[in-house]
Amino acid sequence: DGGITQSPKYLFRKEGQNVTLSCEQNLNHDAMYWYRQDPGQGLRLIYYSQIVNDFQKGDIAEGYSVSREKKESFPLTVTSAQKNPTAFYLCASSLFPGAKGGYSNQPQHFGDGTRLSIL
Amino acid sequence: GIQVEQSPPDLILQEGANSTLRCNFSDSVNNLQWFHQNPWGQLINLFYIPSGTKQNGRLSATTVATERYSLLYISSSQTTDSGVYFCAVANAGNMLTFGGGTRLMVKP
Repeated sequence: DGGITQSPKYLFRKEGQNVTLSCEQNLNHDAMYWYRQDPGQGLRLIYYSQIVNDFQKGDIAEGYSVSREKKESFPLTVTSAQKNPTAFYLCASSLFPGAKGGYSNQPQHFGDGTRLSIL
Repeated sequence: GIQVEQSPPDLILQEGANSTLRCNFSDSVNNLQWFHQNPWGQLINLFYIPSGTKQNGRLSATTVATERYSLLYISSSQTTDSGVYFCAVANAGNMLTFGGGTRLMVKP
């Protein structure tokens, strides 16, 4: 079945440690996104990528890094510089947004998320 | 950036009741999505509705883009409808901005 797979479901980070969250999609989508959700809040955009080997910062990119070497994969690294990493992380994908009109209005589809906690 | 406000923030219903959730946004958009987040955190797509009206079973949604609001209607609510409902919007570039959500509890 086509979909978005995030792993692991639960992750624990020690102080000073970098951790990487995996996101894989087999929907043949061009664009991929990472969001962070804090308890009782809506989602906020961390990074997004519209094509392979290109990505841009979202609203809260500090302390995070990403790569987009393959169309299917968009891993997120939570670095030790992120002082408050405990949150629920969701990955999404969509067809290429493009310019306004045409492909710009494509719905995003979400994975099941990874819960990250500090030990 | 775009501001998104959802109301009410919390809603308690008796099973079988109807409800209307509202989403106001501050700028023109070309993507508007309604999601249901279940107790396990899964974000389920309900509607992609940048304009117009759509229906899916007991749920329907209407977006009036010129007046910058969208409504989600839930009819004959069931306990499985409980959770958080999010509205999210985007303009050029398709980066979604989420509202704060409406937390719905349906009592049996």
